[in-house]
Amino acid sequence: DTAVSQTPKYLVTQMGNDKSIKCEQNLGHDTMYWYKQDSKKFLKIMFSYNNKELIINETVPNRFSPKSPDKAHLNLHINSLELGDSAVYFCASSQGTQYKNIQYFGAGTRLSVL
Amino acid sequence: QKEVEQDPGPLSVPEGAIVSLNCTYSNSAFQYFMWYRQYSRKGPELLMYTYSSGNKEDGRFTAQVDKSSKYISLFIRDSQPSDSATYLCAMPQGDSSYKLIFGSGTRLLVRP
Repeated sequence: DTAVSQTPKYLVTQMGNDKSIKCEQNLGHDTMYWYKQDSKKFLKIMFSYNNKELIINETVPNRFSPKSPDKAHLNLHINSLELGDSAVYFCASSQGTQYKNIQYFGAGTRLSVL
Repeated sequence: QKEVEQDPGPLSVPEGAIVSLNCTYSNSAFQYFMWYRQYSRKGPELLMYTYSSGNKEDGRFTAQVDKSSKYISLFIRDSQPSDSATYLCAMPQGDSSYKLIFGSGTRLLVRP
């Protein structure tokens, strides 16, 4: 039973399209995150929600919009996709900053923009 | 200067070797230190976490923190081909911070 699950695993799309990635966690955590990992494996935080409230909003183009309908779900919508958006996007969750913010990651969504 | 620096590798060692993976950091306020392991096409998974200075051992893995030098290490004894992965160090930005700062990862290859 997967703890943090993301869909889809792979996403291939054309420039200019709009796409969404979904994330769900069944760990009972109250905090969820979106990360972007580039081709050099650098993992960069994009957004974080705690109990459906946005708590981290890094310098990300406003074409990216997260939505958290409840604390077990965090979705990422991307408008007008660009070539530079190609990357692997990871969802993660943690129980606040307890246990020093140990985060559990999903398997990633590999986005290719053509 | 990046807050966390890590040699990207790749590091190639024969099976059974002792592996040393390292990170340096610039913020002396960092208190907690984590090592994540990421297999190819998978998400990072927590391997170890330590608090402040000193060593922590878990099986073949030892995490070491030297706060005076702002330097952390992960040692792997008797390395196995299954240890081949990318290893990322990470630390919370503040004591109660939701934000983890990650190193860029070191790719390790253990040759049979």
